[in-house]
Amino acid sequence: DAMVIQNPRYQVTQFGKPVTLSCSQTLNHNVMYWYQQKSSQAPKLLFHYYDKDFNNEADTPDNFQSRRPNTSFCFLDIRSPGLGDAAMYLCATSTHLAGGSGNEQFFGPGTRLTVL
Amino acid sequence: RKEVEQDPGPFNVPEGATVAFNCTYSNSASQSFFWYRQDCRKEPKLLMSVYSSGNEDGRFTAQLNRASQYISLLIRDSKLSDSATYLCVVRDGNQFYFGTGTSLTVIP
Repeated sequence: DAMVIQNPRYQVTQFGKPVTLSCSQTLNHNVMYWYQQKSSQAPKLLFHYYDKDFNNEADTPDNFQSRRPNTSFCFLDIRSPGLGDAAMYLCATSTHLAGGSGNEQFFGPGTRLTVL
Repeated sequence: RKEVEQDPGPFNVPEGATVAFNCTYSNSASQSFFWYRQDCRKEPKLLMSVYSSGNEDGRFTAQLNRASQYISLLIRDSKLSDSATYLCVVRDGNQFYFGTGTSLTVIP
C-alpha cells in the first residue's frame, strides 16, 4: 500500500544533542510537510517542500532545518534540541493540485521526540 | 485572526446521540475542505473531504457554505469508537490550515 513512513517512531535525545528525523513516501507526491504537534494543540507547520523548493514558515526557529534529497525522502534536523522541542513530529504529503479529489494531506504515524 | 476557527469543545455525548461540529475559515478563495480525525497520540487521518453540494458517508454528513465560509460535520448515532479529536482543515494552494480541533467523548 502507498504510504508515508516515519522513522524512528520514538526518539530520545539529550538537551543540545543534534537529532534527525526521517520521512519517506511511496505516493510520489510533489509536496512534503513537517509539522510539530504538542499535546492538545493543532499541528503547527514548520516548513514544506514543493519538489525541491523549500518553504520555511516565518516563525519556525533556525534550530529546525530540513533536507529533501529526492522525491521520496525528507529529513528534519534539530540542531540543538531544547526541552521545549519535545513534541510529536508529523510528516505529511500531498499532490500539488489544490482542487478535485485526492488532494488531501496524507500523514505518517509521527515521531515522538523526548528531550532529556 | 486565525485562518480556521473551531470550537474546541469538549463535547461529551451519550451513545446514540447526534452531535454537530462547526468551523469557519477566513479566506474566501480557499479551494478544498476536510475533516480529519485524530486519536490520542496518533496521526490525523482523513475522515472525509467536504464538497460544495454536501456529502455523506454512513453516519457522517459534511456541509460547506462558501457564502458564509462555514463548514460543518454531523455525526448521527454516536458510537463509543467515535471518541476522538476532529480537525477542520482548509487548503489554500499548498498550504493546509488547521482548526484547533474539537474533542468528542461518547459516553456509554
